Amino acid sequence: QLQLQESGSGLVKPSQTLSLTCAVSGGSISSGGYSWSWIRQPPGKGLEWIGYIYHSGSTYYNPSLKSRVTISVDRSKNQFSLKLSSVTAADTAVYYCARGRPRNYFDYWGQGTLVTVSS
Amino acid sequence: QSALTQPPSASGSPGQSVTISCTGTSSDVGGYNYVSWYQQHPGKAPKLMIYEVSKRPSGVPDRFSGSKSGNTASLTVSGLQAEDEADYYCSSYAGSNNFYVFGTGTKVTVL
Repeated sequence: QLQLQESGSGLVKPSQTLSLTCAVSGGSISSGGYSWSWIRQPPGKGLEWIGYIYHSGSTYYNPSLKSRVTISVDRSKNQFSLKLSSVTAADTAVYYCARGRPRNYFDYWGQGTLVTVSS
Repeated sequence: QSALTQPPSASGSPGQSVTISCTGTSSDVGGYNYVSWYQQHPGKAPKLMIYEVSKRPSGVPDRFSGSKSGNTASLTVSGLQAEDEADYYCSSYAGSNNFYVFGTGTKVTVL
């Protein structure tokens, strides 16, 4: 059974960079045909897709966040990561990592991790 | 890219049916058969319930069904059960510039 687990700093100061990692177990992140996404959910609000990295290493980002987002993969550790720069309070959210089919659905999700942006 | 529009709430008694709409545009819902639906219980991660408009992943009860007409997709939950009480989100592929867009979410209450 595929499992995803987010980890990283739960508190980030404004203007700094948010960094999260998603560890994948029960399957290989190098398996073809899948995308590996980051999705966030501000408290009490809806879901927002941040971006994904394809098994080939290609990345695709939400245009509204593109200038601040970097998603990368570490195949040796079977994990992928998110960096979001110049954060503000509006970036406070539960951040989920998820596996998906490109252009399609997200079938496995991590449990989510709350990141708060505050001084 | 704007979020897809869903009603804030829907409700039904046990055993009844409830249908949730998800309205987009010809650039997302209407343009692709890549609509999916997610169920989210409080404090939990979303769970995939429907993909490609009307397909159910293994393990999802056949009480859940999906459809689409024009720019509006729908999720129907038949034979409502207490455990169906949750938030539901739709999602659609939105083309190579915008990729994915989610709905505003609908809270389903089982009366």
